[in-house]
Amino acid sequence: KAGVTQTPRYLIKTRGQQVTLSCSPISGHRSVSWYQQTPGQGLQFLFEYFSETQRNKGNFPGRFSGRQFSNSRSEMNVSTLELGDSALYLCASSPETGSPLHFGNGTRLTVT
Amino acid sequence: SQQGEEDPQALSIQEGENATMNCSYKTSINNLQWYRQNSGRGLVHLILIRSNEREKHSGRLRVTLDTSKKSSSLLITASRAADTASYFCATDGQSTDKLIFGTGTRLQVFP
Repeated sequence: KAGVTQTPRYLIKTRGQQVTLSCSPISGHRSVSWYQQTPGQGLQFLFEYFSETQRNKGNFPGRFSGRQFSNSRSEMNVSTLELGDSALYLCASSPETGSPLHFGNGTRLTVT
Repeated sequence: SQQGEEDPQALSIQEGENATMNCSYKTSINNLQWYRQNSGRGLVHLILIRSNEREKHSGRLRVTLDTSKKSSSLLITASRAADTASYFCATDGQSTDKLIFGTGTRLQVFP
C-alpha cells in the first residue's frame, strides 16, 4: 500500500498570502488529521476529518481551515499568512479515530 | 496546555546501551502511543498501550504505563546508531477524540 502523500514538500510564501496544502491518505483510511510542528510549540493538533466531516478542531484561528473529499483526500488552507505560520505541517491518516496514525513526510512552509 | 511532558529533552548514549524516556500526561486516557521521528520527516508509530495494560513489548522496545501516576516510559534496549531520532508520546484522552503529542525526547546514539 502506498503511504500518506503530502504535496508540496516545500513552500515559500509571503506574509498576507494564502496557501493550500494537500494530503492523500492511505487507501481505505477514512480519518485524516493535521498537525503543525514548530521548534517552540512542538506538535499542535489542527483538525481531524472523518468521512468528509470535521470531527475535531484544535485551538487555531479561523485563518486555518480544511476539508476532506469523498475519496478521503484532504486539503488545508491558511489565509492571510503570518511569519509565525512557518512550520512543518504534517498530515496523518488512520482507519478510524483512536487508531495509530500513519504520517506523511510533511510540507515545510516558510513565510517571509 | 493538554500536552504531555517528556523527559529528558535530550539523551546521548553509546551504541549497545539502553535508552529510557519518560512521559507524563494530565488527563484520563484510552491509550498511549509512542512515535519516532527522524529529522525533517513524518512520525512513525512504534507501539500502543491501552489504559488497562501495564507493560508491553515489541522487539527491542518496552513500554510501561502507570495510570495512577499518569506516566509512561519507553525503554530501547541495545541501542543502535539508527535509533537516533526524536521520540514522542501521544495520548488518546477519554474526554477528547484527538491524539495529543508530548514535547519529545531527542535521542542521539553514538557508534
